[in-house]
Amino acid sequence: QKEVEQDPGPLSVPEGAIVSLNCTYSNSAFQYFMWYRQYSRKGPELLMYTYSSGNKEDGRFTAQVDKSSKYISLFIRDSQPSDSATYLCAMTRSGNTPLVFGKGTRLSVIA
Amino acid sequence: GAGVSQSPRYKVAKRGQDVALRCDPISGHVSLFWYQQALGQGPEFLTYFQNEAQLDKSGLPSDRFFAERPEGSVSTLKIQRTQQEDSAVYLCASSFRLAGLETQYFGPGTRLLVL
Repeated sequence: QKEVEQDPGPLSVPEGAIVSLNCTYSNSAFQYFMWYRQYSRKGPELLMYTYSSGNKEDGRFTAQVDKSSKYISLFIRDSQPSDSATYLCAMTRSGNTPLVFGKGTRLSVIA
Repeated sequence: GAGVSQSPRYKVAKRGQDVALRCDPISGHVSLFWYQQALGQGPEFLTYFQNEAQLDKSGLPSDRFFAERPEGSVSTLKIQRTQQEDSAVYLCASSFRLAGLETQYFGPGTRLLVL
């Protein structure tokens, strides 16, 4: 079993829908949780990061971390075709240790 | 401003050939990470530098992989005697500390195909 599990999709939604993406993990030492967006043939781009449990909101994006369940989520409100990309969850134990990524979920937002 | 740049963007190598992949980090970023991303997978850690010191190379898959950052800026990942299983995208990330976290910014990657 991998340390971080993420459903690869693909996930296809109509424009304007609320998108829910999630990851589970097994290592309780993870403290920092991130979501990256990766467009085709580009490097990952940091969207959100959260320390420990809780919620964080940034515009149309909300990240949630539930450490008791080892479950993290990313919600995208009012999804746009430009949100079509692969979304990668990533996590790490401390501030300067390598990131452990999920497989990525491929999202398509249809106009 | 300028982000992380990598070169070449694409590399085709014959099996057994040596390759060198370059990463130019964001100016002033102390930490630098290399990751390998296979098709349809998330990036996997290879190695980590702080300035010129290689602090962690636990992710390098074999002794054919070697990385250096001699002046604490540009880094090179070298793969000797390439094999078909080395085909992947090689991502470089440089980072700075934000609220206790080394926030990593990725380059576009080098897509390596070994024939």
